[in-house]
Amino acid sequence: QKEVEQNSGPLSVPEGAIASLNCTYSDRGSQSFFWYRQYSGKSPELIMSIYSNGDKEDGRFTAQLNKASQYVSLLIRDSQPSDSATYLCAVSLWNNDMRFGAGTRLTVKP
Amino acid sequence: DAGVTQSPTHLIKTRGQQVTLRCSPKSGHDTVSWYQQALGQGPQFIFQYYEEEERQRGNFPDRFSGHQFPNYSSELNVNALLLGDSALYLCASSSRAGANVLTFGAGSRLTVL
Repeated sequence: QKEVEQNSGPLSVPEGAIASLNCTYSDRGSQSFFWYRQYSGKSPELIMSIYSNGDKEDGRFTAQLNKASQYVSLLIRDSQPSDSATYLCAVSLWNNDMRFGAGTRLTVKP
Repeated sequence: DAGVTQSPTHLIKTRGQQVTLRCSPKSGHDTVSWYQQALGQGPQFIFQYYEEEERQRGNFPDRFSGHQFPNYSSELNVNALLLGDSALYLCASSSRAGANVLTFGAGSRLTVL
């Protein structure tokens, strides 16, 4: 079982729609959870972090965490073509060791 | 405020050779982590350095080694290169006292022929 699992996609949504990205993790000792965005040929950049159960909103982005189900999600509202990228879910263990999923490729069509 | 800087940006090596990649962390950060990202995959954790010591290590062979200097900069060394070592090598820095938020450099693209 992989430590962090994501659907590889590609996920395609029309402009203005809601994009929903999902992630599951295996280690119940995981402490912190992150979503990174990676444009083709570029390095990952942090877009959201979440540390406790529930929802966290930042502009058009909402991260959701359910530790009991070991599940993290990212919702992107009013998706724009500039949101087209690979989204990486990352999970940090108690020792600050951060592990990444394989990423979900999102395409937003105009 | 300079972010994370890595060098070189691109390099080509042949099988069996050795390579050294360098990283300067973001100002104020004291921890450096190295990741290998193969094409179409997520970053795979190689190791993490803090206070000039390797603190955590992922599932990588001993051919992969590193070092952290007193100024927090770091090197990644890979010996006896294999074709499968071709990848983007990412350095990420963070603050031990912070919330473990990683800031990535632009990466070093290694091609092994």
